[in-house]
Amino acid sequence: KNQVEQSPQSLIILEGKNCTLQCNYTVSPFSNLRWYKQDTGRGPVSLTIMTFSENTKSNGRYTATLDADTKQSSLHITASQLSDSASYICVVSGGAGSYQLTFGKGTKLSVIP
Amino acid sequence: DAGVIQSPRHEVTEMGQEVTLRCKPISGHNSLFWYRQTMMRGLELLIYFNNNVPIDDSGMPEDRFSAKMPNASFSTLKIQPSEPRDSAVYFCASSLIGANYGYTFGSGTRLTVV
Repeated sequence: KNQVEQSPQSLIILEGKNCTLQCNYTVSPFSNLRWYKQDTGRGPVSLTIMTFSENTKSNGRYTATLDADTKQSSLHITASQLSDSASYICVVSGGAGSYQLTFGKGTKLSVIP
Repeated sequence: DAGVIQSPRHEVTEMGQEVTLRCKPISGHNSLFWYRQTMMRGLELLIYFNNNVPIDDSGMPEDRFSAKMPNASFSTLKIQPSEPRDSAVYFCASSLIGANYGYTFGSGTRLTVV
């Protein structure tokens, strides 16, 4: 069964600090991995998309890594800001159809002053 | 572009009533998705349309749920009759399938069935 597991479930950090969120997946076949940011009351917004050949991709203070061999990904947030408080969802595309997305349950990040 | 537009943003209805959620995808996108999000289950795909044709509706919970896409710029998700367990946030998303292309989500409709 295709699954995406994220850790930690929730995280509280001080403003200005760095943090790393983890994602493990068992989706096969694999097409790409996406990280989304979901603010409270809003829809998910794409941060990065990586194919199996990409090891790292950055979007401002967000850097995603992918190890297709171990089926692991991480999202590193540098110099956190209060606006980074949100849920971060790891999503893997693949499976039976290219449109098939398997969603993780998300990591709820709270950045406090 | 205004992005994916969903309406209403919030809907409160009584059990047994019919509920219709609406979605306007991004112009030029050929794929549209309806998702449901709950705390327990996260985001789940309900139905996927490609070029206005339903391709995969295996996620539709039961016959009470139906979805239509009469044209490339409009889709509806209908629940009839609604039940309290249908309470969730329903998202519409559109994409240009065929490339490693991002999915753009709407802001969602928060449905509460009392």
